[in-house]
Amino acid sequence: SQQGEEDPQALSIQEGENATMNCSYKTSINNLQWYRQNSGRGLVHLILIRSNEREKHSGRLRVTLDTSKKSSSLLITASRAADTASYFCATANAGGTSYGKLTFGQGTILTVHP
Amino acid sequence: DVKVTQSSRYLVKRTGEKVFLECVQDMDHENMFWYRQDPGLGLRLIYFSYDVKMKEKGDIPEGYSVSREKKERFSLILESASTNQTSMYLCASSLPDSFPSGANVLTFGAGSRLTVL
Repeated sequence: SQQGEEDPQALSIQEGENATMNCSYKTSINNLQWYRQNSGRGLVHLILIRSNEREKHSGRLRVTLDTSKKSSSLLITASRAADTASYFCATANAGGTSYGKLTFGQGTILTVHP
Repeated sequence: DVKVTQSSRYLVKRTGEKVFLECVQDMDHENMFWYRQDPGLGLRLIYFSYDVKMKEKGDIPEGYSVSREKKERFSLILESASTNQTSMYLCASSLPDSFPSGANVLTFGAGSRLTVL
């Protein structure tokens, strides 16, 4: 079953602009993660935010988490053409032993034009 | 550099063939996963394993089986390939939940794109 739903499905911006992607989920979570996928390749982990955190930064990435709304956003500041990729949110559900299972959203395709 | 290696990047098989997708990780991770990725559907979990010889069904296990005889190797098996199994298959691994940090973070292989004719 799909947990994360991402919005927008596709985003096209110019280099230097900021890109914001949103993710909504349905159940209680331990943490939420964002991954990046370059075309035709595997996913690469970007950042993890725990359920008791509200905001986290890593370089040009800023992630927020609102557990009351069951939503998260990923902001990429000062985007570059090399940021062109698909971005996925993934959730680790709360309760029990998850064995590290993550449930992924459908992804946002980001295109950054030089 | 730690990594997850999937043996085949591209495969073309015929309907009814038995297909093996191999995945090896060199990080001594307990957990290993097989996902399939299809346009508009994101990643869907097929099977996962939390220890040698242990396996659990994911969300879409039908038509697949897995094998984990050694900690570093997790194989996905399509007993009789069908055209609706044409997809990108992604293997991943992670530390166990008991680790205070790094747990749940998946390291992915480059993917295996399977076409079933």
